[in-house]
Amino acid sequence: KAGVTQTPRYLIKTRGQQVTLSCSPISGHRSVSWYQQTPGQGLQFLFEYFSETQRNKGNFPGRFSGRQFSNSRSEMNVSTLELGDSALYLCASSLVGQKQETQYFGPGTRLLVL
Amino acid sequence: SQQGEEDPQALSIQEGENATMNCSYKTSINNLQWYRQNSGRGLVHLILIRSNEREKHSGRLRVTLDTSKKSSSLLITASRAADTASYFCATGETSGSRLTFGEGTQLTVNP
Repeated sequence: KAGVTQTPRYLIKTRGQQVTLSCSPISGHRSVSWYQQTPGQGLQFLFEYFSETQRNKGNFPGRFSGRQFSNSRSEMNVSTLELGDSALYLCASSLVGQKQETQYFGPGTRLLVL
Repeated sequence: SQQGEEDPQALSIQEGENATMNCSYKTSINNLQWYRQNSGRGLVHLILIRSNEREKHSGRLRVTLDTSKKSSSLLITASRAADTASYFCATGETSGSRLTFGEGTQLTVNP
């Protein structure tokens, strides 16, 4: 079974631009979560999607948004990029997102904002 | 903000030695998971221990959980150079699948 895939793997943007990242979960998984990893803040939860609905949201500004499609693929969008948005963005998938399920992470998208 | 704190922040050992990493957390949890990350890549799931379990083994890994002290430890026995990575503990909420990560321990195993 193929693992979680994320595209693109690397991205360079400038302040004020917007960016869209994509995540394809493991086949059959319906829950997709997004995390941001930075040296200063570590790994922080952004949001979770299940059955095309945002089910849980972390403490990030409204510039960060996401969506999920009927095939469970998910995208996250960051508008009006700031330097501090430079990070590794990780998505994780699980079957239905229940509390004791293992979450499987993708390789991440490294975003650099100049 | 991070729920967990990991100790030590960095650990350097020789191949064949055991490595122990500790994690403390603040709130009630449903489960605690350990992940490994190589050089800023994706996270690899190592082991999940439920809040009603005290100890769990998986190959060379041994995890303990003390909910009264809100702490967990990860022991890697007979370490190998390939174990060099960052190790994170993550606590699962009592509802939902959100994970709250610790700051991580950077383990270096010298050949």
